[in-house]
Amino acid sequence: NAGVTQTPKFQVLKTGQSMTLQCAQDMNHNSMYWYRQDPGMGLRLIYYSASEGTTDKGEVPNGYNVSRLNKREFSLRLESAAPSQTSVYFCASRLTTSGVETQYFGPGTRLLVL
Amino acid sequence: DAKTTQPTSMDCAEGRAANLPCNHSTISGNEYVYWYRQIHSQGPQYIIHGLKNNETNEMASLIITEDRKSSTLILPHATLRDTAVYYCIVRVRATDSWGKLQFGAGTQVVVTP
Repeated sequence: NAGVTQTPKFQVLKTGQSMTLQCAQDMNHNSMYWYRQDPGMGLRLIYYSASEGTTDKGEVPNGYNVSRLNKREFSLRLESAAPSQTSVYFCASRLTTSGVETQYFGPGTRLLVL
Repeated sequence: DAKTTQPTSMDCAEGRAANLPCNHSTISGNEYVYWYRQIHSQGPQYIIHGLKNNETNEMASLIITEDRKSSTLILPHATLRDTAVYYCIVRVRATDSWGKLQFGAGTQVVVTP
């Protein structure tokens, strides 16, 4: 199992450019998440998807869109990048068993917007 | 989800046990205690969870007080690779929430040779 994979690992954008961050999991989990982590800060939820075909906003959704393409893949799109979106982006999927949950995180995408 | 309080940082000598405290005095009866860690530049990693009883797995042990208002994560033989930020998180049952993990500031653990 590869777990949760993210591409690309690093990206530099100019203000106003667009890009899509890709995330895939091979654990057959229903729920998937996108977080961002700014330097020295905790993780903040951008969007989540409780199951295939559904998405919902998290704490900081402005400037982002998501697509739950299928059960495996959950992508995050920046339509017009801004310097405030410079951050590390983590994708996660969730396993639930008897009321207990475990979230599995990808390695992150480091994004710099100039 | 109940709020948690952890020390900002702690040091531990390699090979010794690291005991990481967490206070969660407002925890409810249906809330679990979870521990995650984040090694520098990596995604967070699940360590262990518990409800009432003490728990042990291959990574760590979790001791929860009888009143459930605090807990301690124990890394029995700390190695340099255990240097990370450790997060204590209190969560309701997974079926009662959509799974947003509330990461606080955590405890920065530095394991020294």
